[in-house]
Amino acid sequence: DAGVIQSPRHEVTEMGQEVTLRCKPISGHNSLFWYRQTMMRGLELLIYFNNNVPIDDSGMPEDRFSAKMPNASFSTLKIQPSEPRDSAVYFCASRSDVDNEQFFGPGTRLTVL
Amino acid sequence: DAKTTQPPSMDCAEGRAANLPCNHSTISGNEYVYWYRQIHSQGPQYIIHGLKNNETNEMASLIITEDRKSSTLILPHATLRDTAVYYCIVRAKAAGNKLTFGGGTRVLVKP
Repeated sequence: DAGVIQSPRHEVTEMGQEVTLRCKPISGHNSLFWYRQTMMRGLELLIYFNNNVPIDDSGMPEDRFSAKMPNASFSTLKIQPSEPRDSAVYFCASRSDVDNEQFFGPGTRLTVL
Repeated sequence: DAKTTQPPSMDCAEGRAANLPCNHSTISGNEYVYWYRQIHSQGPQYIIHGLKNNETNEMASLIITEDRKSSTLILPHATLRDTAVYYCIVRAKAAGNKLTFGGGTRVLVKP
């Protein structure tokens, strides 16, 4: 298996633009997580899905952030409009219900100018 | 989830054992201790977890005290590639899938 796949790996955009981050979980995993990592706040859970249904989105910063999981093999995290303070590394992770570990993707480094 | 306390950083000599402490004095009976690490510019990686018994796998050993208020992750023969931030996380399985990462311990393995 290729592991968790994220795209793009790097994104540079200007303030006000829409940003879409993509994630393909490991095949067979039914839980998917979006995290954000910054120097100031460390690694934070934004939202997680189980069987494509959002279970906990309490970590989503504000209405500018939205996440979808239309099927078991794809999820998006969208920021509209983006702001410089959204600059961070965004990680996607997946997990199977019969396993104990979360598998993380390589992350997307987002820079909002 | 119970809060954990880890030293912010530590150095270790290559080839020697690295012992990483973690305090979790408010841990509940149904909470597990998980360890993850994050090598620079990569996503976190699962290492090991345990409830009350000591655990060992190909990466590390986990020693949990009898009162479960603290634990130690042991890397038996540290290599330069073990340089990373190590996170100790306490979580109940019934709490769903959430992992709450603290500051972790930045481990530098020196030649």
